[in-house]
Amino acid sequence: ETGVTQSPTHLIKTRGQQVTLRCSSQSGHNTVSWYQQALGQGPQFIFQYYREEENGRGNFPPRFSGLQFPNYSSELNVNALELDDSALYLCASSLGGSGSYTFGSGTRLTVV
Amino acid sequence: SQKIEQNSEALNIQEGKTATLTCNYTNYSPAYLQWYRQDPGRGPVFLLLIRENEKEKRKERLKVTFDTTLKQSLFHITASQPADSATYLCAPENAGNNRKLIWGLGTSLAVNP
Repeated sequence: ETGVTQSPTHLIKTRGQQVTLRCSSQSGHNTVSWYQQALGQGPQFIFQYYREEENGRGNFPPRFSGLQFPNYSSELNVNALELDDSALYLCASSLGGSGSYTFGSGTRLTVV
Repeated sequence: SQKIEQNSEALNIQEGKTATLTCNYTNYSPAYLQWYRQDPGRGPVFLLLIRENEKEKRKERLKVTFDTTLKQSLFHITASQPADSATYLCAPENAGNNRKLIWGLGTSLAVNP
């Protein structure tokens, strides 16, 4: 059984650019959630995908978008990057409507 | 708005003692409450989940309580070890398929040898 894999591990982008982060969910999990975690803060919910459909969204602007693929892997896309988007982006997979989440190690995004 | 508060100060304890971490929530009626451990630069790791109809749950040296009247969960680590040093996050959650964890800021625990 593999865990959650995120890529890349680190990324530096310039303000205004676009970025795509990737996540492979744990085997058997059909739900993927994305979180943004700024330094010293708890994770903030961005959105969740369940069976390829967005299934809930936090208070993030539309320039944050995502996809889930038939194999339940997922992408997070951020357009028009801003300096405040610098954070650790976490992907978590789970099975349906209950139980624990398995997190990846995250992607550290720095916007300069 | 929904709010989660954890011990605001870092917790420093001596090896072998029991660490007790607090999670209080307001404007919330969670069906579950989860506790995670997070090491610097890493994703959170699941520790325990407790349901609203459970008062207490244990796993090895860990114990979680859930008081829906006080709107509080306590997380205990007995016989603490330096390897337990990390940030501990609590996350209450509603039931249903539209799952969304809302997290506290976490409590930093340092266990001194």
